[in-house]
Amino acid sequence: QKEVEQDPGPLSVPEGAIVSLNCTYSNSAFQYFMWYRQYSRKGPELLMYTYSSGNKEDGRFTAQVDKSSKYISLFIRDSQPSDSATYLCAMSEVNTDKLIFGTGTRLQVFP
Amino acid sequence: GAGVSQSPSNKVTEKGKDVELRCDPISGHTALYWYRQSLGQGLEFLIYFQGNSAPDKSGLPSDRFSAERTGGSVSTLTIQRTQQEDSAVYLCASSLTQGASSPLHFGNGTRLTVT
Repeated sequence: QKEVEQDPGPLSVPEGAIVSLNCTYSNSAFQYFMWYRQYSRKGPELLMYTYSSGNKEDGRFTAQVDKSSKYISLFIRDSQPSDSATYLCAMSEVNTDKLIFGTGTRLQVFP
Repeated sequence: GAGVSQSPSNKVTEKGKDVELRCDPISGHTALYWYRQSLGQGLEFLIYFQGNSAPDKSGLPSDRFSAERTGGSVSTLTIQRTQQEDSAVYLCASSLTQGASSPLHFGNGTRLTVT
């Protein structure tokens, strides 16, 4: 079993839809949770960063962490075609420098 | 300012040949990481450099893989006697400081194809 599980998709939604992307994990020591966005042929870029549990909102993006269920989510409101990319979750323990990534979910937003 | 720069962007090599992949991190970033991204496999950690400390090589898949970082800046990942299973995108990232709380800035990767 992988430490971090993520549905690879693809997830195809119409413009304006609310998108929910999710990851589950097995390591209860994870404390830092991130979402990266990766466009085709580009490197991943940090989208959202959360420490421990709770919600964090940034514009159309909301990240949620439920440590009791070992489950994290990224919500995208009013999705746009420009949101079409692969979304990777990543997480890490405290006092470590190594991020563990999910396999990524490919999102397609069609006009 | 310039981001993380990787070269070459694409590399095609024959099985058994050695390859060198280069990474120029963001100026002033003390931490440097190499990851490998294969189709459907996500990002696989390879090696991590932090300042003058000994690198964390725990992710290198075999002794054919090695990396160095000269002068705390440029890094080179070397793969000797390449195999077809080495085909992947090799991503370099740097961060301002060590620790998971310091965001990683990725380059666009080197796409390696071993024929």
